[in-house]
Amino acid sequence: DVKVTQSSRYLVKRTGEKVFLECVQDMDHENMFWYRQDPGLGLRLIYFSYDVKMKEKGDIPEGYSVSREKKERFSLILESASTNQTSMYLCASRDSGLAKNIQYFGAGTRLSVL
Amino acid sequence: AQTVTQSQPEMSVQEAETVTLSCTYDTSESDYYLFWYKQPPSRQMILVIRQEAYKQQNATENRFSVNFQKAAKSFSLKISDSQLGDAAMYFCAYRSYNTDKLIFGTGTRLQVFP
Repeated sequence: DVKVTQSSRYLVKRTGEKVFLECVQDMDHENMFWYRQDPGLGLRLIYFSYDVKMKEKGDIPEGYSVSREKKERFSLILESASTNQTSMYLCASRDSGLAKNIQYFGAGTRLSVL
Repeated sequence: AQTVTQSQPEMSVQEAETVTLSCTYDTSESDYYLFWYKQPPSRQMILVIRQEAYKQQNATENRFSVNFQKAAKSFSLKISDSQLGDAAMYFCAYRSYNTDKLIFGTGTRLQVFP
């Protein structure tokens, strides 16, 4: 089974702090994704990556950056956390080849910024 | 731009009964994929069922089936013989054939009563 692991289930940070959300997948998938989930808004794509050191902006990249130094790890970075970034963050991965079109998700990190 | 609409924020069903969750989408494309994902209280998003737009036959997975109406741009999920474990948030999602981005609806929370 594909496993996507997010390092923290819950995180509480202060405004202005630099925050790292880590995601690791164990299936050698090329593509990885970060989503933000808010009530009434569904999931919105923040960033995604096709390969190591490659990244693409999603629909709501403002205030976020990402890092992919190794194939299995995709990090989401909040350079200076703000209260409007309080949310649930979901990581996903998918094998390359558009015919393989299932994204596998982690259990999410619920981030509170105070 | 493509959009996905789930017009039922909440639904409820009695155990062993059948329930249908609605999803409509807007696109000008002819080739695409549609998905239903389930997010239980554990928060791990799980793929329930998927449909390729070029296939006329409705997808089925055990107790889960879809009613795919391409002309009407409708993709509803039917859950038969509902079980307590079906209680979750259900998300409908769209993906263009030649991109990697999933576009999600806002979700429907399903409650199952004994």
